[in-house]
Amino acid sequence: QVQLVQSGAEVKKPGASVRVSCTASGDTFTAYYIHWVRQAPGQGLEWMGWIYPNSGGTNYAQKFQGRVTMTRDTSISIAFMELSRLRSDDTAVYYCATDRHMWQLRGYFASWGQGTLVTVSS
Amino acid sequence: DIQMTQSPSTLSASVGDRVTITCRASQTISSWLAWYQQKPGRAPKLLIYQASTLESGVPSRFSGSGSGTEFTLTISSLQPDDSATYYCQQYIRYSYSFGQGTKLEIK
Repeated sequence: QVQLVQSGAEVKKPGASVRVSCTASGDTFTAYYIHWVRQAPGQGLEWMGWIYPNSGGTNYAQKFQGRVTMTRDTSISIAFMELSRLRSDDTAVYYCATDRHMWQLRGYFASWGQGTLVTVSS
Repeated sequence: DIQMTQSPSTLSASVGDRVTITCRASQTISSWLAWYQQKPGRAPKLLIYQASTLESGVPSRFSGSGSGTEFTLTISSLQPDDSATYYCQQYIRYSYSFGQGTKLEIK
């Protein structure tokens, strides 16, 4: 399986953008779909979308369409999630996570990063 | 969108108890359901997928069942380390969704 390490906490103003990185090690980076899931303080989990590093293909939750962009750099095994036009209710811990099986989109998440707290405040 | 509803929202039980958490989907999802355990300040951990398949390394006291719209997670003999919040998640469609969580406390 893959180990994931995310970038550090961010503080942003409303209207700004944030980019969170997710560095993979331990297995073939391009083999696993990478999902992004967020969790507002004291709240539940919310799926945002996935990127398939092998092709660069993406699929975003409808809620985030137009505001989220997921990319990857296969040369250094990093995935990125950028969220634009930030609002206060985007304050959350953002996780990257890999799909359970290699080369398949199954939709459940086996390896998780440690999470990145993004705070949106004026 | 498919809505996932868990019950109860909170649960208090004693070590050794058998505990059951229920998850209901707003429409049929066959067996496309996973369960996660999350402890404070930590990322979620996959426990079960395909409604009843135990993830590698997860203790056998955890089990899952159900299909269609109603599912259960059972802990056969509660241990102190099981204190956590548990989430179900459907993955039948490309827009995945989670239940609101069940917080399990040890008496």
